[in-house]
Amino acid sequence: EIVLTQSPGTLSLSPGDRATLSCRASQSVSSNYLAWYQQRPGQAPRLLIYRAAYRATGIPDRFSGSGSGTDFTLTINRLEPEDFAVFYCQHYGSSPRFTFGPGTKVDIK
Amino acid sequence: QVQLVQSGAEVKKPGASVGVSCKASGYTFPSYYMHWLRQAPGQGLEWMGVFNPGRADTNYAQKFQGRVTLTRDTSTNTFYMELSSLRSEDTAVYYCASEDYSSYYYGMDVWGQGTTVTVSS
Repeated sequence: EIVLTQSPGTLSLSPGDRATLSCRASQSVSSNYLAWYQQRPGQAPRLLIYRAAYRATGIPDRFSGSGSGTDFTLTINRLEPEDFAVFYCQHYGSSPRFTFGPGTKVDIK
Repeated sequence: QVQLVQSGAEVKKPGASVGVSCKASGYTFPSYYMHWLRQAPGQGLEWMGVFNPGRADTNYAQKFQGRVTLTRDTSTNTFYMELSSLRSEDTAVYYCASEDYSSYYYGMDVWGQGTTVTVSS
C-alpha cells in the first residue's frame, strides 16, 4: 500500500502570497494516479488537480500541480481569501482504491 | 447538473448498525463508480469501498471487510452504505463521491454533502 506524507502540516500565509505544498509517496507512483483536493471548513472535499497537473473543471488557473515519481507539489499563486483550507493529496491504486495524505492546512497569517 | 444528496445525521449506540443513503441525479452516463469515504473529527479522509453500478459489484477496503455493505436501488438511483457493529471510533462524517472513469481523473469529482454519524452510549 502506498503511503502519502504531506508537508508542511500547516502553512501560515497572507492573501496574495504563494503557497507551495508537498506530497511524498512511499514508493514511486504514476503521475496519472495523483490528485489534489481542497476542503474548506464544514464542506466536502473538492477535486482540484488530477493526473498530477491537470486542473479539474472550474478550478482557477492560480492552482497548479507538478511532480513525478515520489514527489509532487501543489502551488497556489496569489492566495485569495477563499483558498484558506486544508489540502489533501490522493493516490489511486488497486487495493485500497484510494489513499490520502494527512493534509496540509493553509491558514491566514 | 450531477448531484449527490445524502441522508441526515444519525446517532447510534455501540453495537448497532447505521445506514446512509446517497441519491444521485443528473447522471446521463453509465461510466461512473460510487465511492464511500469517511472523516473522523479533525482527521483526514479514509476510503471505505466502492460500488460499480455497471456490474453491480463492490470492492471494500480491507479494514471494513465484513462490516460494510454497499448497495443501490436502481429504481431511484440511490446508493446505500450500511456499517454494522458500530463502535465509538466510527464517529465520523460519511461521504459518497462519484468517479467518472471515462474522464480518467482517477479521482472523485462529485461529492455528497456528508452525513454525520455519532456513536455514543
